[in-house]
Amino acid sequence: GAVVSQHPSWVICKSGTSVKIECRSLDFQATTMFWYRQFPKQSLMLMATSNEGSKATYEQGVEKDKFLINHASLTLSTLTVTSAHPEDSSFYICSAKAGQGGSSSYNSPLHFGNGTRLTVT
Amino acid sequence: KNQVEQSPQSLIILEGKNCTLQCNYTVSPFSNLRWYKQDTGRGPVSLTIMTFSENTKSNGRYTATLDADTKQSSLHITASQLSDSASYICVVRLTGGGNKLTFGTGTQLKVEL
Repeated sequence: GAVVSQHPSWVICKSGTSVKIECRSLDFQATTMFWYRQFPKQSLMLMATSNEGSKATYEQGVEKDKFLINHASLTLSTLTVTSAHPEDSSFYICSAKAGQGGSSSYNSPLHFGNGTRLTVT
Repeated sequence: KNQVEQSPQSLIILEGKNCTLQCNYTVSPFSNLRWYKQDTGRGPVSLTIMTFSENTKSNGRYTATLDADTKQSSLHITASQLSDSASYICVVRLTGGGNKLTFGTGTQLKVEL
């Protein structure tokens, strides 16, 4: 089955530093990847939609200058949390959709990475 | 108010027993409803996907039902195992919403000996 690899699985950083999280589709091409944030006992919240070769689309309330997204290839998207602060501590999860999109893909599952636990001290 | 409500919030059952998790949604119109299993500290894994025209779908010991008229779905787990301990998340996809998904807050299931 389709596998999405996310790295690192956990990271601890000091306040003010930047952290990069990678999301790779290992055995399929993903023109679109999604980045989510999940706080304890809460739903996954979509942060942004990452499209290969173009700018990411951010959800309302998500600062694009703070959460930099790059989707330079069909198998890799990165999320960089810039100038991290303790309130950015969360579980970040990416997902990817196989195929080129279109209505036939709407009913296909999203494949999620295993998440990155970010702790900012 | 979350547009996808799940109940119960948490549940403890004995190994081997069956259980049913509920999902009520107000998202409309929708094109499909999904159930995911999320182990602690891991990403969600897809269990079932049902379009609005489907009433039931099974995946092994997991059976999902959907009533689009009452906007309710359920996930039934048969003969539970310790490995079923996880959060079960109901997710609804909007029609015409691209890949915009609305996630429920999940039901935390614990299976004990």
